[in-house]
Amino acid sequence: EPEVTQTPSHQVTQMGQEVILRCVPISNHLYFYWYRQILGQKVEFLVSFYNNEISEKSEIFDDQFSVERPDGSNFTLKIRSTKLEDSAMYFCASRAWGEQYFGPGTRLTVT
Amino acid sequence: AQSVSQHNHHVILSEAASLELGCNYSYGGTVNLFWYVQYPGQHLQLLLKYFSGDPLVKGIKGFEAEFIKSKFSFNLRKPSVQWSDTAEYFCAVDLTGGGNKLTFGTGTQLKVEL
Repeated sequence: EPEVTQTPSHQVTQMGQEVILRCVPISNHLYFYWYRQILGQKVEFLVSFYNNEISEKSEIFDDQFSVERPDGSNFTLKIRSTKLEDSAMYFCASRAWGEQYFGPGTRLTVT
Repeated sequence: AQSVSQHNHHVILSEAASLELGCNYSYGGTVNLFWYVQYPGQHLQLLLKYFSGDPLVKGIKGFEAEFIKSKFSFNLRKPSVQWSDTAEYFCAVDLTGGGNKLTFGTGTQLKVEL
């Protein structure tokens, strides 16, 4: 069964550094998403992406965040200058027929 | 503001007990409704979904949920839980009805004791 994959599974970075989280959505899906879950809190929507552009973003998704689909398979989330409060689990999802399929997540730890 | 609420944050049950987890949303328009499960150390997996039609939907692993439009609710049920059902359960709602972002509830941590 096809699945969404994410790399790395865990990333540790220092405050102020740039990080890129990578996702490979399911191949025939056209809608892509990033969510995050801060420890002990709910899963929060960050951004949705369709047809090579952002279709919706939350208030969390400020200028420090960007997304890109650099080729036909990868979907990336970049945080330009990480802050302590960016520490969270980041989930990628892709959608078909109204159903979102989630990847295993990347745990980002900012020190 | 549009929101999703799950009333039970931690539930502890014995094996074979019945389960009902509440989920309510605040939105008057068309919604798609989902329950996801997250087993320890694993990613979110879809248990079941409701888009339209029969308000009683059946999902995987013996779970079912009932959409009650008048109560803005989508409660998850299982008649007899197993130890392997220990996990965190998330209700999620597509408030736009158009398949875009999901709004999640806070999650319910279920522990099933032998």
